[in-house]
Amino acid sequence: QKEVEQNSGPLSVPEGAIASLNCTYSDRGSQSFFWYRQYSGKSPELIMSIYSNGDKEDGRFTAQLNKASQYVSLLIRDSQPSDSATYLCAVNRFTGTASKLTFGTGTRLQVTL
Amino acid sequence: DTGVSQNPRHKITKRGQNVTFRCDPISEHNRLYWYRQTLGQGPEFLTYFQNEAQLEKSRLLSDRFSAERPKGSFSTLEIQRTEQGDSAMYLCASSRYSFGYTFGSGTRLTVV
Repeated sequence: QKEVEQNSGPLSVPEGAIASLNCTYSDRGSQSFFWYRQYSGKSPELIMSIYSNGDKEDGRFTAQLNKASQYVSLLIRDSQPSDSATYLCAVNRFTGTASKLTFGTGTRLQVTL
Repeated sequence: DTGVSQNPRHKITKRGQNVTFRCDPISEHNRLYWYRQTLGQGPEFLTYFQNEAQLEKSRLLSDRFSAERPKGSFSTLEIQRTEQGDSAMYLCASSRYSFGYTFGSGTRLTVV
């Protein structure tokens, strides 16, 4: 079982619709959760972080965390063509000596006109 | 805050040559990470520094790979005797404690 799992997509949504991206993780000791956006040929860019169960909203983005189900999601409202990118879910766990992010393989989002 | 800087942006090298990459983190960030990313995959952890101490190395980091962070400032990643399988994007990131990372633009390595 992979530590962080995402559907690779592509997920295609029309402009103006809500895009829903999902991620599951295997380590119950995971403590913090992040969503990164990565355009083709570019490096990942942090867009959302979430640390406790529930929803966290920032502009058009909402991150949702359910630790009991080991599930993290990202909603993008009013999707725009500029949102077309790969979205990486990342999970952080402190091991006593180190704290590092483990990434999923990413979900490719396509926003169509 | 000038962001995380990585040099060079691109490197083409012949198999068997040594290469060295440099990363300059955000100045107030005490943690520095190296990741490797290949096409269609998420970034894979290579190694982690807290200040100047290298606290963790991935099993992916064979003995051909070495990383340093002298004086807890910039870091270098060296790959000796490069192989075609080393071709990838090498990403450096920094953070303040365990908050989200800020990535540099990456160094794309092509081994021919």
